[in-house]
Amino acid sequence: GAGVSQSPSNKVTEKGKDVELRCDPISGHTALYWYRQSLGQGLEFLIYFQGNSAPDKSGLPSDRFSAERTGGSVSTLTIQRTQQEDSAVYLCASSLSGEQFFGPGTRLTVL
Amino acid sequence: AQSVTQLGSHVSVSEGALVLLRCNYSSSVPPYLFWYVQYPNQGLQLLLKYTSAATLVKGINGFEAEFKKSETSFHLTKPSAHMSDAAEYFCAVRNSGYSTLTFGKGTMLLVSP
Repeated sequence: GAGVSQSPSNKVTEKGKDVELRCDPISGHTALYWYRQSLGQGLEFLIYFQGNSAPDKSGLPSDRFSAERTGGSVSTLTIQRTQQEDSAVYLCASSLSGEQFFGPGTRLTVL
Repeated sequence: AQSVTQLGSHVSVSEGALVLLRCNYSSSVPPYLFWYVQYPNQGLQLLLKYTSAATLVKGINGFEAEFKKSETSFHLTKPSAHMSDAAEYFCAVRNSGYSTLTFGKGTMLLVSP
């Protein structure tokens, strides 16, 4: 596709369940980023993948959060044992040479 | 370390009026600076970026921003607001040598007829 796509667009889950959020970056982009957008918190960096290098996980808020990127393309962000404070919009971005292109996000609601 | 402060979580203007959205940054090295816009239920779209070339940067939709090192500012302006400019605007900084962006908390621009 022409842009970054994310699925699902909306996800409602119950506290304690695990969720997986998917990001399809722009074809050929070597860098992929995950951000979290919460009310009143702005955008928080979560994790960054660059090519085959070890990811920068410095923004992950707890060990319940993890992400992987398979084949240098699609990425999955997994949140285990979801909590209500995990409710937010999760944004994915990709880039080739600095400028980041964002997907529409996944709105996660934890009941 | 790098950080961004956006003054005002909400800014209201009338259609046709000047738009001024404020952004101040903190960076230990010369920064790269960005303004993004987010329309409801959409991702972020790059408006403009400063990468150490011209200090006055022109972006899309008639927006521009001026990098002022002495004031550590990168305020976003548009001479005449349009109803379609109503959105949330985010300022972001990236230090050279790093790839991740640090965002401000955003400013919601409201445009009234």
